Amino acid sequence: DTAVSQTPKYLVTQMGNDKSIKCEQNLGHDTMYWYKQDSKKFLKIMFSYNNKELIINETVPNRFSPKSPDKAHLNLHINSLELGDSAVYFCASSQDWDREQYFGPGTRLTVT
Amino acid sequence: DQQVKQNSPSLSVQEGRISILNCDYTNSMFDYFLWYKKYPAEGPTFLISISSIKDKNEDGRFTVFLNKSAKHLSLHIVPSQPGDSAVYFCAARVSGSARQLTFGSGTQLTVLP
Repeated sequence: DTAVSQTPKYLVTQMGNDKSIKCEQNLGHDTMYWYKQDSKKFLKIMFSYNNKELIINETVPNRFSPKSPDKAHLNLHINSLELGDSAVYFCASSQDWDREQYFGPGTRLTVT
Repeated sequence: DQQVKQNSPSLSVQEGRISILNCDYTNSMFDYFLWYKKYPAEGPTFLISISSIKDKNEDGRFTVFLNKSAKHLSLHIVPSQPGDSAVYFCAARVSGSARQLTFGSGTQLTVLP
């Protein structure tokens, strides 16, 4: 059973489009995250979210927005895609803020 | 500004020997440190962690050492096995309000049979 899953695994799209990446966790965790792994391989936090609080990394453009329909899902919406958005995006979850995080397999986004 | 640094992008070790992966940090507010392991086409998986109140934590073949004065931590794997070949990420966190992990850039470990 996959603990944290993401769809799609690969996403190729053109500049200016709007796209979404879905994330689901079946661990019963309260907290979910989105990370971006850039070309230099750094994993950078984008959003941290539970049912009480959303923490946004101030460097994330407002074209990116998380949407959580329920506790098990945290989807990432991206508007007006740019070339620089090409990266691997990882979803993660944890039991609460201070516990270790479990990561999904990643979504490789390529903007052409 | 890279607050967590892994200065060695790669490391090769013979099977059965010790692997030592290093990590330096600059933010003295970090009080919790983690190591993650990542295989190709998979997400990182949690390996081991250490709180700043300790200087060593051991779990089977994996031991993490923390030197707060030097702002340095290391992961020791002994004995190394070919299945340990992966990218290892060091991560750090400030407990409380920050609530986010800061990752290093990773070290590719290759264990040679």
